[in-house]
Amino acid sequence: DAGVIQSPRHEVTEMGQEVTLRCKPISGHDYLFWYRQTMMRGLELLIYFNNNVPIDDSGMPEDRFSAKMPNASFSTLKIQPSEPRDSAVYFCASSPVPDTQYFGPGTRLTVL
Amino acid sequence: DAKTTQPTSMDCAEGRAANLPCNHSTISGNEYVYWYRQIHSQGPQYIIHGLKNNETNEMASLIITEDRKSSTLILPHATLRDTAVYYCIVRVAETGANNLFFGTGTRLTVIP
Repeated sequence: DAGVIQSPRHEVTEMGQEVTLRCKPISGHDYLFWYRQTMMRGLELLIYFNNNVPIDDSGMPEDRFSAKMPNASFSTLKIQPSEPRDSAVYFCASSPVPDTQYFGPGTRLTVL
Repeated sequence: DAKTTQPTSMDCAEGRAANLPCNHSTISGNEYVYWYRQIHSQGPQYIIHGLKNNETNEMASLIITEDRKSSTLILPHATLRDTAVYYCIVRVAETGANNLFFGTGTRLTVIP
C-alpha cells in the first residue's frame, strides 16, 4: 500500500486566494483526519470523518475552512479566502480504528 | 483525557537503548497510553499502545508501571533514524471523541 497520499506537497499562494488540499486515505480505513501543525500551536486536529461523514469539526478555526469527503478514497480541505496566519503544515491521516492513525507526508502551505 | 508530562529533550548513543519516560498521574482506568513519533519534515508515526500490560512490537517496547501513573517507551537499539520527537498520549480508546492531543513531546537525538 502506498500509504496516505497528500497533494500538493508544497503550496505558495497569496492572501485572499482559495487553497484546496487533497488527501487519499489508505484503502479500507474508515476514519480520516485533518490536522494542522505550526511552531506556535503544535499539532491540532481540525476535523475527522467516519465512513465519509464528518463527525467532529470543532477544531476548524473559522468559516473560511471547509472539508469534504465525497467518497471513501478522497477528501479535500479548502481555505477560502486564505490568510497569512493559515501558513502551516497540513496533515491528513487515516485509520481502520480511531487510535492507530497513519499520517501522510503533509502539505506545507505558505500564504503571502 | 489525562494530561502527560515528558522531558523536553534527551540524547542517546547509537546502538544503545533509548528509554523515554512519560508521567500520566491522572490517568483513568479506561485510558490507554499511546506513543507516536515525528521525524523531521514527516507526519507523525504510530509506535505502540497499551492499557496496563507491557507491550512489545517490532519497533519498541512499552513498560507501564503497576499503578499506571507513568510509562517508558524503550527503543532497544537506537539508530540515527530514530532521531525524532516522541509523543506520549493518554486517551480512552474506541470512543467518539477522537482527538489525539500530541502535546510538546520529547525530542530524542541519537548521537553517532
